[in-house]
This record gives sequence, C-alpha cells and structure tokens, in this order.
Amino acid sequence: GENVEQHPSTLSVQEGDSAVIKCTYSDSASNYFPWYKQELGKGPQLIIDIRSNVGEKKDQRIAVTLNKTAKHFSLHITETQPEDSAVYFCAASKGEAALIFGKGTTLSVSS
Amino acid sequence: GAGVSQTPSNKVTEKGKYVELRCDPISGHTALYWYRQSLGQGPEFLIYFQGTGAADDSGLPNDRFFAVRPEGSVSTLKIQRTERGDSAVYLCASSPGIGELFFGEGSRLTVL
Repeated sequence: GENVEQHPSTLSVQEGDSAVIKCTYSDSASNYFPWYKQELGKGPQLIIDIRSNVGEKKDQRIAVTLNKTAKHFSLHITETQPEDSAVYFCAASKGEAALIFGKGTTLSVSS
Repeated sequence: GAGVSQTPSNKVTEKGKYVELRCDPISGHTALYWYRQSLGQGPEFLIYFQGTGAADDSGLPNDRFFAVRPEGSVSTLKIQRTERGDSAVYLCASSPGIGELFFGEGSRLTVL
C-alpha cells in the first residue's frame, strides 16, 4: 500500500521567512496530494491540494510543487506569520482510495 | 452546525469495556472516513464508507473494531474489549466525493 514520508518533523522560522516541507510517496499510481493544517484541539483542515496532471499550484502565500518522476511533493509558505504556526500534514491517494497521511511537521513562527 | 460533528469529545473508559463513538457528517456528503491519531503522529486510516457500505476497511487493526453507517449518514465506530493501546483521538471526516475531506474535531479516547 501507499506510504508517505514527511520531513522535517519540526521547523522553526522567523516571521517573514519562508518555510518548506517535503514529502515522498511510494505508490506511483497516486494522483491526489493535499496538504492539511491542524491546530491544537482541532481536526485537520485542507489548505491546498494538487493533482498529478499539474506540477505547481499557488494560493496567495502558499504553493505546492509536485515531481511525479521522483515521487515527491513540497509545501512552500512565504512571508510566514505567527498564525501559520501549526502542525502540517501531507497526504496522498489514488482514485477513490482513502488518503494516507505523513507524520506531520510542527511549524513554529516566531515574531 | 454545518461541520462534521463527533460525540463524545472525550471518553475515559476502563480496559476491557465497550465504547461507541459517533460521527454526524456534513449533510449530503456521501463519503465518510474514520481515522485514528496518536500523539505526535499523522491520522491513520481505519475505514471508509461510500453511502451505507464499507468501501475499504483495510485499516481496522483487528476484529475488536467495527463501524456502521446504516442509513448512509451518521456513523458509529465501535470498539470491543478496549485496550490501553486504543487510546488516541478518533477523527471522522466526510466528503462530497473524491477530493477534500472535512474533518470533525475528534473524539479523544483514554483507556485506563
């Protein structure tokens, strides 16, 4: 089955800096790659997703890139703000199969 | 409310007891998922419903775990003979189809 590896497990940046989180997946048939943000005591919430027919997607300060050949995808957050502090999860799935999540990255943005 | 609702939010039980966790999905969402999240880990897939039927239950760890969705809306996750290792946050999510999952806030289960 699918396996998703995520790193780093923790990331500390200064406000205004960029943050990059990377994930690799094992199943070359996977075609959907979302990123979720989880705040303390809450359920994960989708922030951006990408499908295998595109290489990059942007939404304001957030972007995701996908390299299907290498089977990895990355989340880029620019101009980080303290409210970006949270746990971020990458995930992968194919077709109607359930999402398989990485172990998460705890992002801390200090002002 | 308009979101996924999970009850109870917290459940403390003793080893060996039976537990039921309930999920009310967003109205109209046909797909419903159960995940388990241990401290410091990502959500671990348990089971996925499409309508009333379990489309994939490959994530259920053993036969002590069972889930139902009899009318294609509310779902109940049932855990028999609970063990301390079952302690975790149980997350429910719903989806209108392929794509975004909308998660509830989870049910925190503690087995003493």
